[in-house]
Amino acid sequence: AQRVTQPEKLLSVFKGAPVELKCNYSYSGSPELFWYVQYSRQRLQLLLRHISRESIKGFTADLNKGETSFHLKKPFAQEEDSAMYYCALSGGSNYKLTFGKGTLLTVNP
Amino acid sequence: DTEVTQTPKHLVMGMTNKKSLKCEQHMGHRAMYWYKQKAKKPPELMFVYSYEKLSINESVPSRFSPECPNSSLLNLHLHALQPEDSALYLCASSQVKAGVSYEQYFGPGTRLTVT
Repeated sequence: AQRVTQPEKLLSVFKGAPVELKCNYSYSGSPELFWYVQYSRQRLQLLLRHISRESIKGFTADLNKGETSFHLKKPFAQEEDSAMYYCALSGGSNYKLTFGKGTLLTVNP
Repeated sequence: DTEVTQTPKHLVMGMTNKKSLKCEQHMGHRAMYWYKQKAKKPPELMFVYSYEKLSINESVPSRFSPECPNSSLLNLHLHALQPEDSALYLCASSQVKAGVSYEQYFGPGTRLTVT
């Protein structure tokens, strides 16, 4: 079974502070991990996928298979980063994307 | 065209009405999805179509009936819905290759209210 855990429902930081959104997963095979972001009144959009290993909007995420984690990090948070962030896992050939419950990030001025 | 479009944006329907939600993509994606999203909750998968064939039905009540007329279009037919079916309905699409899942692209959703 696929499972994604985001332990923090809410996360509040000040502008310029580092931010880390935690994600742990459970999957027996080789997973594909993603971070999706949903800004207020906007569509759900892909932020990062672990395979691409790129940095988008200053965010990075590293897949740690030993700790089964895929935490999202940004060294200096901006107010425009305030949004709902979902970690998601896709495994195998069933095209199913399993989402975590999401973390609502608020960046205060 | 790199977007998934959905119509209508908003829909209010009574419990005896029949309505349809529409989704369209022109990215050549051969997997399309319907999700239901309640406020401040993650999307919940309802249906998956792969190469225009229904491949996953997540035990969705029969009052929701999906249809994939061609590789670019996905419909969700609604009949005799309940007030608890009020939610944001999201469509998504993705590439398909040798059973590997690629990232899904989401539409803006249809905000459905059942009265």
